[in-house]
Amino acid sequence: GNSVTQMEGPVTLSEEAFLTINCTYTATGYPSLFWYVQYPGEGLQLLLKATKADDKGSNKGFEATYRKETTSFHLEKGSVQVSDSAVYFCALSDGYNKLIFGAGTRLAVHP
Amino acid sequence: DVKVTQSSRYLVKRTGEKVFLECVQDMDHENMFWYRQDPGLGLRLIYFSYDVKMKEKGDIPEGYSVSREKKERFSLILESASTNQTSMYLCAGRTGRNQPQHFGDGTRLSIL
Repeated sequence: GNSVTQMEGPVTLSEEAFLTINCTYTATGYPSLFWYVQYPGEGLQLLLKATKADDKGSNKGFEATYRKETTSFHLEKGSVQVSDSAVYFCALSDGYNKLIFGAGTRLAVHP
Repeated sequence: DVKVTQSSRYLVKRTGEKVFLECVQDMDHENMFWYRQDPGLGLRLIYFSYDVKMKEKGDIPEGYSVSREKKERFSLILESASTNQTSMYLCAGRTGRNQPQHFGDGTRLSIL
């Protein structure tokens, strides 16, 4: 069945460091892929998306490229800020009803 | 942009009570979803609805029901609340297949 695997956290970085959060997926067909962010005490916010192979989603300095050959959708940011501290979820849409979520990766950025 | 609103951010109820969690969306979404989020278990789908008066069970429907009388409103009902239903509940809506789901701010429900 469909599944999403994310790197375990927490990821702890200093401000202005480079961020990578790994995400790989297993799916039949051609799913759409998403990154969501959850700040403390809040719901999930859509961060970026990609709907087909080689698409690059980007938003707020974050980027992720849909790699079908490696079944990956890694999240990157060149220079993180303290305000980026949150939990990040990778997800895929099975094209019908479900979003399949990864377990989430907690990011902590220190000044 | 899409707006999904959950009626309460925090709610405290007692065991055995019938509990209603309300969710309203303003973007004519066909599809709406209810999840619960628990530490170590991630997000789990409880119920979803792809049209008015239509509902489908998700992965963990036991102890819950839903109501969708109007397109913009999707209610989650705990028929007889129990302490193991203490959780964060998240509502989401989307416009169509393969489109992103847009989430409300969540309701943190405590059952005493």
